[in-house]
Amino acid sequence: AQKVTQAQTEISVVEKEDVTLDCVYETRDTTYYLFWYKQPPSGELVFLIRRNSFDEQNEISGRYSWNFQKSTSSFNFTITASQVVDSAVYFCALSEAGTSNTGKLIFGQGTTLQVKP
Amino acid sequence: NAGVTQTPKFRVLKTGQSMTLLCAQDMNHEYMYWYRQDPGMGLRLIHYSVGEGTTAKGEVPDGYNVSRLKKQNFLLGLESAAPSQTSVYFCASSRESPTGTGELFFGEGSRLTVL
Repeated sequence: AQKVTQAQTEISVVEKEDVTLDCVYETRDTTYYLFWYKQPPSGELVFLIRRNSFDEQNEISGRYSWNFQKSTSSFNFTITASQVVDSAVYFCALSEAGTSNTGKLIFGQGTTLQVKP
Repeated sequence: NAGVTQTPKFRVLKTGQSMTLLCAQDMNHEYMYWYRQDPGMGLRLIHYSVGEGTTAKGEVPDGYNVSRLKKQNFLLGLESAAPSQTSVYFCASSRESPTGTGELFFGEGSRLTVL
């Protein structure tokens, strides 16, 4: 069965600190997709990134970076020089691929990040 | 740009009452989903639809029904509300499977309280 685990329930940092959000997944599929979503206090979920299982290259987008390691089934998310606006709940999610795929996402429990001024 | 719109945003029900949540998207997306969000449990899929006239069960479908009579709308119904259905409900849509080129676009959520 597919499963996503975000062991960190809450993280609190001071502005400008770097912070890493952990995500560990389980799947029997050889082809799959991993996602990160951000849920700010307004409530709406915002897409951040999608990664497929064949692409283990790390990705950087501004202050955000993602480290995908199939060997440890992890897809961690790092925010460099955190800002108060980064305060949100962050979700990691997994989706299977294949012809029968219906786009269903399995979400982790979420990590609440609080960045203090 | 409306995107995905959910109505109502808030609702309080008494146990046993019925209600319908409406999700409307203006992006001509084929795929639509209903999730519920509960503390410590992330988002769980209730029902989904891969096209007009089609629906399917997700992870937690019991107590809910859905309909997709028009491509742009996806309705979630509670026939007899229970306190366990107190949650925040999110509708989402995607142009195609997110494992293609698309991603899920979410509505702002609907907070439902069942007393």
